[in-house]
Amino acid sequence: SQTIHQWPATLVQPVGSPLSLECTVEGTSNPNLYWYRQAAGRGLQLLFYSVGIGQISSEVPQNLSASRPQDRQFILSSKKLLLSDSGFYLCARSQGTDTQYFGPGTRLTVL
Amino acid sequence: AQRVTQPEKLLSVFKGAPVELKCNYSYSGSPELFWYVQYSRQRLQLLLRHISRESIKGFTADLNKGETSFHLKKPFAQEEDSAMYYCALSNAGNTPLVFGKGTRLSVIA
Repeated sequence: SQTIHQWPATLVQPVGSPLSLECTVEGTSNPNLYWYRQAAGRGLQLLFYSVGIGQISSEVPQNLSASRPQDRQFILSSKKLLLSDSGFYLCARSQGTDTQYFGPGTRLTVL
Repeated sequence: AQRVTQPEKLLSVFKGAPVELKCNYSYSGSPELFWYVQYSRQRLQLLLRHISRESIKGFTADLNKGETSFHLKKPFAQEEDSAMYYCALSNAGNTPLVFGKGTRLSVIA
């Protein structure tokens, strides 16, 4: 079966600190990978998506970045967190024209 | 531009009552429409997609291209239907989904 892991599950970080969230996928090769942020009252916002290793498309300008160092690994990073970065971060995958499947998410609180 | 609108943030209905979660979209081509659901403490998951034309957990959704709508319906709500529901759009293929802001459904016993 195809599985999506996200690490960590929850994270509390001070403003100005760096961030690294990891998403890994099992049971599939060359998936499309996505990062979304789910904020209260704002629904799901697409942040980045990747169709292959080293290929990243950014949907919104912000202080976040994404990288895909391996086929099944997608990392969301920031050099300096802002209060507004707090939210629930979801990784998703899709394969070809298949629908998207989501990971369990990471709850980030920036204080 | 692609946009999905879910006009209701919160919808409360009594158990056994009919449910309709509204979704309208704007898209110039032929989109694929989806409904995703997130139950408490569970991950976001696909509920149904319009091309499947199936009923999942008693829910159905019909794509109305004239009204650009994809409303989610169920004739008799159950308490376990309480969740966050998201409508989403894709132009098919390897493209990201565009989500609405979601509607929280609360079914009252």
